[in-house]
Amino acid sequence: EIVMTQSPATLSVSPGERATLSCRASQSISSNLAWYQQKPGQAPRLLIYAASTRATGNPVRFSGSGSGTEFTLTISSLQSEDLAVYYCQQYSSWPLTFGGGTKVEIK
Amino acid sequence: QVQLQESGPGLVKPSETLSLICTVSGGSISSNFWSWFRQPPGKGLEWIGNIYNSGTTNYNPSTKTRVTISMDTSKNQFSLKLSSVTAADTAVYYCAAATNWLAFDYWGQGTLVTVSS
Repeated sequence: EIVMTQSPATLSVSPGERATLSCRASQSISSNLAWYQQKPGQAPRLLIYAASTRATGNPVRFSGSGSGTEFTLTISSLQSEDLAVYYCQQYSSWPLTFGGGTKVEIK
Repeated sequence: QVQLQESGPGLVKPSETLSLICTVSGGSISSNFWSWFRQPPGKGLEWIGNIYNSGTTNYNPSTKTRVTISMDTSKNQFSLKLSSVTAADTAVYYCAAATNWLAFDYWGQGTLVTVSS
């Protein structure tokens, strides 16, 4: 099983500032990585797939990068509505696995 | 626009079988990947398993011996059965669809299932 590790667990960022979230895979997953945003009381929402492709309907301030074992989700200019937990998920091999999440707080 | 809706009992007794149905609208269940996930209260996401190609399944080893996922193409539904449940199976259960390989772009709203006597 591929273990996904996210850091930091909590990130506090002021509105308008950049937020950088990290995700590490225990072995290479090429670019088979997705990022999700989950707001309180809601289902997850797909932000990024194939490590860097923005899913339909998502703001351009969300971007993804990386390949192999190291990945990054960047929110270029944090908005108040970005308060959420962000999860990475690998789909390189079974079972599909998620990271533990990064909670983004508004400073 | 694909929409998914979970349905089923919100309370299941220990040792019994949890059964949920996901009804799909706006798209055919005969294509793409269809999965179940769960999220215990205050915790992260766990993939349970998926079904595709009208019947091929993959399951998470953590629950594989207790899980069955099936689909009914005539009703555009797929279902989850989880047997011998315990309190550890208490969670919000989500059904979801992936149209971009296994990145899930459509999700149901989720349904809380509590295991308790």
